[in-house]
Formats: sequence, structure tokens, C-alpha cells
Amino acid sequence: GDSVTQMEGPVTLSEEAFLTINCTYTATGYPSLFWYVQYPGEGLQLLLKATKADDKGSNKGFEATYRKETTSFHLEKGSVQVSDSAVYFCALSDRRQTGANNLFFGTGTRLTVIP
Amino acid sequence: DTGVSQDPRHKITKRGQNVTFRCDPISEHNRLYWYRQTLGQGPEFLTYFQNEAQLEKSRLLSDRFSAERPKGSFSTLEIQRTEQGDSAMYLCASSLKSYNEQFFGPGTRLTVL
Repeated sequence: GDSVTQMEGPVTLSEEAFLTINCTYTATGYPSLFWYVQYPGEGLQLLLKATKADDKGSNKGFEATYRKETTSFHLEKGSVQVSDSAVYFCALSDRRQTGANNLFFGTGTRLTVIP
Repeated sequence: DTGVSQDPRHKITKRGQNVTFRCDPISEHNRLYWYRQTLGQGPEFLTYFQNEAQLEKSRLLSDRFSAERPKGSFSTLEIQRTEQGDSAMYLCASSLKSYNEQFFGPGTRLTVL
């Protein structure tokens, strides 16, 4: 079945440090891949996505590249800010016969950025 | 605010009681999903509606759980005879038919004592 394995946290970085959060997936079809972010006290928000192999999703300085050969979708940011402190979820969706695009999530990685 | 809304935001109940949650999706979205998120875990899919039709249910959705979307707009999720293991955050998400991006509501946090 479909699943996502995500780097466990928590991760603590100093401001302006480089961030990598690893994510690998298992899927039977050709999934779309997502990173969602959950800021303290808020709901899940889509951060970026990629729908096919070699696509790069990017938003707010974050990037992730859909690597089919390594079944990975690692999240990176060159210089983190205190405001990036949140929980980050890697997810995949695989089109099903019902037409649904159910999301399968990793366990989440809590990032804390200190000044 | 035109995002996904959920009500209530928090619910505390005693074991054995029934609870009902409501989700109002973004108005033009015809797809609606329910997920459950327990502490330290990512959300897990529960069920999916396309308009008013419930087209898919997870094995996580036991017989005590029922979901409806009577007019293809808002949805309700009812849990009968709640158990302590039902304590979780219940998330609703909606999307347009042609897109796979889902927009999430703030969730309803259920605590079963």
C-alpha cells in the first residue's frame, strides 16, 4: 500500500541555517507529492507540491524535488527564519478508482528555529 | 473568511456518549474528506465524498462512525458510543474535482474521558 516515511524530529536550528527534512515514499501508482506545514495553533497548509517525476515544487524559499529513482521528496531551505518554526508533513496522493485523491501523511517533523 | 470551517473546535465528552462534528467546505468545492490525527502522528484518511455521495471509507471508520453530506455542501461526522481511543483531532478538507490540492479546516479536537 501507499505510505510515507519521514525524518523524525524534533529538529532545532539556528536562524539562517540550512534545512533538510528527508521524506521517502512507497506507492503502487504514480503519486503526487506534497509538503504541508502546521504552524502553532493553526490548521494544515499546503507548502508545495510536485505531480510528476523530476518536478520541483517551491514556495517561501522551500524546495523539494520529486525523485522517482530514489522514491524521495526531501524538503530544503537555504536559510531558515524563526517564523519557519512549525510541524512539517510529507504526503502523497494516488488517484483511486473512486476519483478520490486521499492523502497519506508522514508522522511529521517539528522544526524549531532559534534566534 | 472563505476557507474550510469546522465546528466545534473542541469537544470533551464522557465515554459512551455520542458526538457530532460539522464541516463547511469552501463553497465551490465538490470533494470533501475527513481525516483523523492522533498525537504525534500525521493525519489518516477516514472517508471521502464527491458531492453528496460517500464514495470511499477507510478501515479506520468502524461501525460506530457515520458521515453524511446531505446536500453536497456541509458534512457531519458522528461517533456513537465514544471510546477513549477516539480521542483525536478530526480534520476536514475540501478540493475541486479537477485538482488534487486539499484545503484543510482547523480541526475539531475530541477528548473522551
